[in-house]
Amino acid sequence: AQTVTQSQPEMSVQEAETVTLSCTYDTSESNYYLFWYKQPPSRQMILVIRQEAYKQQNATENRFSVNFQKAAKSFSLKISDSQLGDTAMYFCAFMLGGADGLTFGKGTHLIIQP
Amino acid sequence: SQTIHQWPATLVQPVGSPLSLECTVEGTSNPNLYWYRQAAGRGLQLLFYSVGIGQISSEVPQNLSASRPQDRQFILSSKKLLLSDSGFYLCAWSFSRGPRAFFGQGTRLTVV
Repeated sequence: AQTVTQSQPEMSVQEAETVTLSCTYDTSESNYYLFWYKQPPSRQMILVIRQEAYKQQNATENRFSVNFQKAAKSFSLKISDSQLGDTAMYFCAFMLGGADGLTFGKGTHLIIQP
Repeated sequence: SQTIHQWPATLVQPVGSPLSLECTVEGTSNPNLYWYRQAAGRGLQLLFYSVGIGQISSEVPQNLSASRPQDRQFILSSKKLLLSDSGFYLCAWSFSRGPRAFFGQGTRLTVV
């Protein structure tokens, strides 16, 4: 079974700063997908970024980028120029593919201070 | 475009009462469907998933069951709710080939 670990229960940074959220996972598989989801106070789950394990290039989406280290089983999220609207719970998630569901970490509560 | 509808948004039920949460997807055929639960202060836990009508896979033993009576309809049920069933329930779907999941708005269930 796969596990996902987020070691930072809460983080707080000033607006416009850069912040990095950590995620490690454990699997014996070589092909899989990794995700970062954002859950604002509305509790809607919003996909932030996705990484395919077979791709060496790190995924980027505007201010969001990942540092994917397959050998280390690490998948961190970097948020540049943080904004007040980035305040939310952030979940790292793992999926093998096909019909498999997502395995989530426990989340990191990110607070952006004005 | 595809949309997912989940209702009700909020539900307060007494212990021992039945439960029925419904989720429907529009704009796609033969989606994979999922039910997740989020307990207070924790991540999401996969409860059930379905790859087709009448096909249900359970990830964890519990007081809940799921059914898929139609291609784009997924129902979460319980005959008798327990206090421990309280939580935030999210329905999700993905294309049959995976891997991205799209989530509904969620149902906040409080068992009293």
